[in-house]
Amino acid sequence: EIVMTQSPATLSVSPGERATLSCRASQSVSSNLAWYQQKPGQAPRLLIYGASTRATGIPARFSGSGSGTEFTLTISSLQSEDFAVYYCQQYNNWPTWTFGQGTKVEIK
Amino acid sequence: EVQLVESGGGVVRPGGSLRLSCAASGFTFDDYGMSWVRQAPGKGLEWVSGINWNGGSTGYADSVKGRFTISRDNAKNSLYLQMNSLRAEDTALYYCARCDDRGAFDIWGQGTMVTVSS
Repeated sequence: EIVMTQSPATLSVSPGERATLSCRASQSVSSNLAWYQQKPGQAPRLLIYGASTRATGIPARFSGSGSGTEFTLTISSLQSEDFAVYYCQQYNNWPTWTFGQGTKVEIK
Repeated sequence: EVQLVESGGGVVRPGGSLRLSCAASGFTFDDYGMSWVRQAPGKGLEWVSGINWNGGSTGYADSVKGRFTISRDNAKNSLYLQMNSLRAEDTALYYCARCDDRGAFDIWGQGTMVTVSS
């Protein structure tokens, strides 16, 4: 089983600042990596797939990078609506998937 | 509008069974693989089970293998999860999600709550 580890668990950021979230896979997942955003009381929303491609309607301030085992989600200038929990997910091993434990981005 | 609507959740005793359903609309259902993902109260996302477009390939998390069965009926645009031998740790909000052609989950339902308690 591929284990996904996210860091940090909580990130305190001021509005307008940059946020950098990390995700590590226990073995290579190539570029088969997605990022999701979840706000309280809502279903998750796909942000990034293929490690770096923004999903439809996702603002350009969200960017993803990495391949193999190390991945990063960057939010270039945090807006109030970006405070949420973010999950990475690997989909390299069809038909099994794994999520990271999540990073909560909170207001500093 | 592309939509997934889950149903079938409820309260069940340990050892009991429940069948969840997910009704799809607004897209060609049999063009896509589907998955179930759950979230225990206050916890993160856990992938539960997945199925390919025609039901010929399925996968399960170790935590549910042998107890849960995923299936689909493309004629009814529906996805199912049969859950047997339920345990307290299965208590969660269960989401169904559409798998895009790369494997990411691009559409999610709003979830159905399952509570396993005596």
